[in-house]
Amino acid sequence: KAGVTQTPRYLIKTRGQQVTLSCSPISGHRSVSWYQQTPGQGLQFLFEYFSETQRNKGNFPGRFSGRQFSNSRSEMNVSTLELGDSALYLCASSFGGPGETQYFGPGTRLLVL
Amino acid sequence: DQQVKQNSPSLSVQEGRISILNCDYTNSMFDYFLWYKKYPAEGPTFLISISSIKDKNEDGRFTVFLNKSAKHLSLHIVPSQPGDSAVYFCAASITNFGNEKLTFGTGTRLTIIP
Repeated sequence: KAGVTQTPRYLIKTRGQQVTLSCSPISGHRSVSWYQQTPGQGLQFLFEYFSETQRNKGNFPGRFSGRQFSNSRSEMNVSTLELGDSALYLCASSFGGPGETQYFGPGTRLLVL
Repeated sequence: DQQVKQNSPSLSVQEGRISILNCDYTNSMFDYFLWYKKYPAEGPTFLISISSIKDKNEDGRFTVFLNKSAKHLSLHIVPSQPGDSAVYFCAASITNFGNEKLTFGTGTRLTIIP
């Protein structure tokens, strides 16, 4: 079974631009969560989508948004990029029930110049 | 507020010996715990999990122990192999609300010495 895929793998943007990252979950998984990993803050939860609805949200500003499509694929958008948004963005998928294990994709490395 | 803590940033262990990675948590609502392994430039790989109704879960060379009263969990790897060299993250969640949010520790870099 194919794993979680994320595109693109690497991205360079400049301050003020916006970016859209994509995540395709494992077949059958309905939950997609997004995390940001930085050296200073570690892995931090951004938000989670289940059946096209945002079910949980972390403590990130409104510049970070996402959506989920009917096929469970998810996109994450960051507007008005700041230097501090440079990070590895990871998505994880699961069936979405209590205690279900989340499986991670390889991540998208975003560099903001 | 760091609710999940891994106080050892790094650990070196001789090949063939036991590796013990530790994790502490402060939120007593956490009831599901996981360990992930991460190589550079890759996403975390799930290793093993444990529910709060158990105190031990074993999968091959990996065993996770949970001490709820101490709010402490540990991952034992035995015997340690060179391929185990990676960063290990513990994570915790509250499952009773279908809550998919994982709270991660800061990671421990494990180096296995041949």
